[in-house]
Amino acid sequence: GEDVEQSLFLSVREGDSSVINCTYTDSSSTYLYWYKQEPGAGLQLLTYIFSNMDMKQDQRLTVLLNKKDKHLSLRIADTQTGDSAIYFCAESHSGGYQKVTFGTGTKLQVIP
Amino acid sequence: SQTIHQWPATLVQPVGSPLSLECTVEGTSNPNLYWYRQAAGRGLQLLFYSVGIGQISSEVPQNLSASRPQDRQFILSSKKLLLSDSGFYLCAWSGGFGSPLHFGNGTRLTVT
Repeated sequence: GEDVEQSLFLSVREGDSSVINCTYTDSSSTYLYWYKQEPGAGLQLLTYIFSNMDMKQDQRLTVLLNKKDKHLSLRIADTQTGDSAIYFCAESHSGGYQKVTFGTGTKLQVIP
Repeated sequence: SQTIHQWPATLVQPVGSPLSLECTVEGTSNPNLYWYRQAAGRGLQLLFYSVGIGQISSEVPQNLSASRPQDRQFILSSKKLLLSDSGFYLCAWSGGFGSPLHFGNGTRLTVT
């Protein structure tokens, strides 16, 4: 079945760049997503990338996709304390309905 | 613009009591609707999804059921809650394949 893996924890200093990594197993993945979850809240969509793209940039966020290695990363430039949250990688593929598989999340701690 | 509402935000229920969580979506029609549970760990487990009124599919066998009485209303229910039903329940919608999932703010359920 589909599997999405992430490291559990990342700590960075305020102002540095954060890079959150994700690997997935489903070679038929078509869309890959990054979500942010703050404590006690739902998941907020940050950005997503279609599998025929290598990179997508949106302000401080840069998504890189290595389809050959099934590796996705999210880079946050100039990380701020407000970026502290859990970040989820997710993938979807066709198959009757839109099934989305989530990783276990990476907790980002930003040190002032 | 589309919005998703989920309530209640928190709920404490005794074992054996019934459950009803409601989710409604505004600003779109015929959305795909989803119920996820997020346990203490972090990962999201897909419980139910629906592609139309009265069409419910279950991902895992469990003590819960779902219904979609109207196009933009999705209800999660249980006749008798178990301790293991405690968790953070998230409703989500999407516009179909390729469209990302958009989440509600979640319901924190504690079964005592």
